[in-house]
Amino acid sequence: DAKTTQPNSMESNEEEPVHLPCNHSTISGTDYIHWYRQLPSQGPEYVIHGLTSNVNNRMASLAIAEDRKSSTLILHRATLRDAAVYYCILRDGSKVDSSYKLIFGSGTRLLVRP
Amino acid sequence: ETGVTQTPRHLVMGMTNKKSLKCEQHLGHNAMYWYKQSAKKPLELMFVYNFKEQTENNSVPSRFSPECPNSSHLFLHLHTLQPEDSALYLCASSHGTGPYEQYFGPGTRLTVT
Repeated sequence: DAKTTQPNSMESNEEEPVHLPCNHSTISGTDYIHWYRQLPSQGPEYVIHGLTSNVNNRMASLAIAEDRKSSTLILHRATLRDAAVYYCILRDGSKVDSSYKLIFGSGTRLLVRP
Repeated sequence: ETGVTQTPRHLVMGMTNKKSLKCEQHLGHNAMYWYKQSAKKPLELMFVYNFKEQTENNSVPSRFSPECPNSSHLFLHLHTLQPEDSALYLCASSHGTGPYEQYFGPGTRLTVT
């Protein structure tokens, strides 16, 4: 399975944009890039996912490099509530019997300063 | 509120006790999952159920026994646990066992004494 690499931690100021990087140099053509986050004392929460094109939703934006070897999760205006561990996960959409698997790494712990 | 509830939220049990964790989803999903999150370790998938049938057991010791009576309910029966089994146990559900979003409950914090 292709793996992802994320920084252990990042800090941001409230109301400023945050760019969370993820490297996945061994990504295959059928791997989707998923992002989840886990707030303190809660279960993980889906944030966004994409394959090749950049994606936007109400929570965040996902920018995918042209060669797909890296991606960046963008929070446009960080709030204190965005302090969480953010996980970048690859999911192979071609494997019918295992595409459900979410393989969590250590993620990036985001600290938001007021 | 994710639509996935878990009870109890906290549980302390001795190594000789038998207890059960309960998960209920109100999302109309067909797939349900148990995950384990130990301190300083990534989340680990334990069991997968699709349409009440177990489709994956990720080499979990037999002292953990899952049960899925219907697509909305999932149980994890615990017996003869060890202190190293202390962890956060998370339940999740999804539309099916494809690359769908998974919705997680808040977890049960288990302490084995």
